[in-house]
Amino acid sequence: GDSVTQMEGPVTLSEEAFLTINCTYTATGYPSLFWYVQYPGEGLQLLLKATKADDKGSNKGFEATYRKETTSFHLEKGSVQVSDSAVYFCALGGYNFNKFYFGSGTKLNVKP
Amino acid sequence: GAVVSQHPSWVICKSGTSVKIECRSLDFQATTMFWYRQFPKQSLMLMATSNEGSKATYEQGVEKDKFLINHASLTLSTLTVTSAHPEDSSFYICSAHSGTLDNEQFFGPGTRLTVL
Repeated sequence: GDSVTQMEGPVTLSEEAFLTINCTYTATGYPSLFWYVQYPGEGLQLLLKATKADDKGSNKGFEATYRKETTSFHLEKGSVQVSDSAVYFCALGGYNFNKFYFGSGTKLNVKP
Repeated sequence: GAVVSQHPSWVICKSGTSVKIECRSLDFQATTMFWYRQFPKQSLMLMATSNEGSKATYEQGVEKDKFLINHASLTLSTLTVTSAHPEDSSFYICSAHSGTLDNEQFFGPGTRLTVL
C-alpha cells in the first residue's frame, strides 16, 4: 500500500548547520508530496509542496525535490536556526480519495 | 490563505461523557474533511474521511459508533467522542481539502482531549 518512510529522530544540530531529513515514499499513483512542520502544542503548518516529478518546493530556506526515480522527497536547509526546532512530517497525498499518508515525523533540535 | 479552525482547543471531561469537536473551514468550502488522531510524540493517524452530506468513511480499526462524524455543511464537520474513556485522551486534528488541483489539505490547530 501507499506509505511514507522518514528518518528517525531526534536530529540535533548546532545553529547554522546544514539539515537533511530523508523521506521516501511508496505509491501506486501520482501523488503530491508535502512537508509539514509542527511546533510544540500547535497544529500542522504546510512548509512546502511539490505536485509532480522534478518539482522543487521551497519556503523559508527549506527545499525539497520530488524525485520519482528514487521515490524520495528529502528536506534540506543550508543553515538552520534555533527557531527551526520543531517536528517535521513528510506526507503523500491527493490522488487516492485525497487521503494523506504521513511519515512518523522527525524532531529537530537546533542548539545555539 | 485557507484557514481551518477547531473548537474547542482543549477539553477535559469525565469518563463516560460525550465530547463534540467542531472543525470549520473559514474562507473556503470543503467538500471533504478528514479527522486525525495524534498520540504523544507520534505521527498523525487518519481516523475517517468526511464528505458533505454523506456518511463518513472510517479507517480500519476505528470504531464508528464511538467516533461519530457529521459533515452537515460545506464548512463544518463535527467529531463526537461518545462515552469517552481515558484511552481516548489524545490530540485530534481535522483537515479540509482545498479542492484545488494540487490536492493540498489545510489543517486545524488541533483539540487536546483529556478524559479523567
